[in-house]
Amino acid sequence: QVQLQESGPGLVKPSETLSLTCSVSGGSISSTNYYWSWIRQPPGKGLEWIGYIYYSGSTYYNPSLKSRVTISVDTSKNQFSLKLNSVTAADTAVYYCARGYSYGYQPFDYWGRGTLVTVSS
Amino acid sequence: DIQLTQSPSFLSASVGDRVTITCRASQGISSYLAWYQQKPGKAPKLLIYAASTLQSGVPSRFSGSGSGTEFTLTISSLQPEDFATYYCQQLSSYPRTFGQGTKVEIK
Repeated sequence: QVQLQESGPGLVKPSETLSLTCSVSGGSISSTNYYWSWIRQPPGKGLEWIGYIYYSGSTYYNPSLKSRVTISVDTSKNQFSLKLNSVTAADTAVYYCARGYSYGYQPFDYWGRGTLVTVSS
Repeated sequence: DIQLTQSPSFLSASVGDRVTITCRASQGISSYLAWYQQKPGKAPKLLIYAASTLQSGVPSRFSGSGSGTEFTLTISSLQPEDFATYYCQQLSSYPRTFGQGTKVEIK
């Protein structure tokens, strides 16, 4: 059974960098079959896709966040990471990592439990 | 970006009711649509992909239909554990986008 687990600071100061890691167990992040995504959800609001990374390191970011986002992968640790810089209160959200198929209809079939990140001084 | 509009945004229903949620895309997405269920404090759970394919382990009372720009999620007989928020997601193009959600509450 594949499991994803987000980790990182729950509180980040405005203008600083949000850093999160997603640890994958029960499957290899180096599989050619999957993309690995970050999604966020502000409290009481809907879902926003942030971007994905492939095991090779290729990425695609949501244009709305592209100037501030970096997603990286560490295949040796079976992890991928999110960095979002110059954060503001608007970046306060539950951040999820998820696995998506890289072929066919590409749904997101496994998600982490999510981690709340609050941006506040 | 492809915009997805769900209707209704809020739905009040009773156990045993048949419930239908609609998702409309701002442009054609063929069958590249998924539905997720989210309960409070939990991650979204994949219910349906390819517009109408039931994810393994999901009860058969859930079904999906549609293609192009209009899609529906139907729950044939609402159960107590189905009270949740439902989201559609398009997987046709980037950036991936979600509908705004439909909250299904107990009448």
